[in-house]
Amino acid sequence: GAVVSQHPSWVICKSGTSVKIECRSLDFQATTMFWYRQFPKQSLMLMATSNEGSKATYEQGVEKDKFLINHASLTLSTLTVTSAHPEDSSFYICSATGGNRYEQYFGPGTRLTVT
Amino acid sequence: GENVEQHPSTLSVQEGDSAVIKCTYSDSASNYFPWYKQELGKRPQLIIDIRSNVGEKKDQRIAVTLNKTAKHFSLHITETQPEDSAVYFCAPFAPGTYKYIFGTGTRLKVLA
Repeated sequence: GAVVSQHPSWVICKSGTSVKIECRSLDFQATTMFWYRQFPKQSLMLMATSNEGSKATYEQGVEKDKFLINHASLTLSTLTVTSAHPEDSSFYICSATGGNRYEQYFGPGTRLTVT
Repeated sequence: GENVEQHPSTLSVQEGDSAVIKCTYSDSASNYFPWYKQELGKRPQLIIDIRSNVGEKKDQRIAVTLNKTAKHFSLHITETQPEDSAVYFCAPFAPGTYKYIFGTGTRLKVLA
């Protein structure tokens, strides 16, 4: 149990376009979802926390108008990278918590390359 | 904000030896302490966790010890194997802020 999927697993887009990444909890209700970004050989950096039906809470330094997060249901959260630039190229990973309040379940990640 | 540090940043051990990685955190309200293993290009995988009311937990070759007073917890891997080679992260959870802050990571290399 406790499976989280992410789609797409990788995406290449042109500079200036927008990209949407989906994160789904397949077999549990995710009360909270987290979005992380990871650059090569670095740690996971928390971008934002989202709860179903409410606005996401962004970490300091993360532009909320650039990284749009929507958590419309208890099983789906989306991250949209707007007007992507090459410096947005990274590995984006979502996670979700549910019944067990502490353990977070990770999606497989999305590798974004902006050309 | 919360500050989480890991030491060492890299660790090379001979197969069969033990490895210890330490995680130091700053938020005294943290109450859940997981360790993750991440292989290249993959998601972090929970390998062991401990809650604040427990001092030590063991699962076969892996153990975690917690010192809440000193605000650090450590990952212990015994009888290391080449497949233990990966990057390991701690990510203490603070209920007040409701988030996990990942440590800086430790690259473990087990030499056959």
